[in-house]
Amino acid sequence: DAGITQSPRHKVTETGTPVTLRCHQTENHRYMYWYRQDPGHGLRLIHYSYGVKDTDKGEVSDGYSVSRSKTEDFLLTLESATSSQTSVYFCAISEGRGLNTGELFFGEGSRLTVL
Amino acid sequence: SQQGEEDPQALSIQEGENATMNCSYKTSINNLQWYRQNSGRGLVHLILIRSNEREKHSGRLRVTLDTSKKSSSLLITASRAADTASYFCATAYNNDMRFGAGTRLTVKP
Repeated sequence: DAGITQSPRHKVTETGTPVTLRCHQTENHRYMYWYRQDPGHGLRLIHYSYGVKDTDKGEVSDGYSVSRSKTEDFLLTLESATSSQTSVYFCAISEGRGLNTGELFFGEGSRLTVL
Repeated sequence: SQQGEEDPQALSIQEGENATMNCSYKTSINNLQWYRQNSGRGLVHLILIRSNEREKHSGRLRVTLDTSKKSSSLLITASRAADTASYFCATAYNNDMRFGAGTRLTVKP
């Protein structure tokens, strides 16, 4: 199994509070991603990173920010959580992107409930 | 909006039968990938097929790709109860990778 650890795995929080999810990898892969998974929507990309301090927006980035200060860590922050951000969040990593997009390796997910 | 659309949304079969899932997409692709997700777990990569390939095999898995019809199919032969999971197709094109909503496969023992 790819070395990807997400924390916390489960979190319940209240509307308006900040939340940070952490993804840690031991594979030294360049690309890291945050997806959210909701019933009927599959996985949707929130943000991704192509290197330390290099990030870009995905399909559903509003309300989320990310940071990558080290190769191995990619943080997802909800500055002020809303009920619509209740979801399961997955971190993924890959060696390549673009024309070289290959296999993505996923973490086990972080289930977030915003009350 | 999602790129791949899986069909059917749910499939229930008996152990030993074959399972076929289909994926349709709308734009160009560099490659198409299939993933599996067990309940409560992350996605696991199954197979990747490039846009210039038409068929690929991996164990009991067979994937076909028809770029003229913008569709792919995943065949699992001689299914087992342990194959029960959700299966997702993902299309990769340039810097974009999109997942479908998945097919929920139940294999009854």
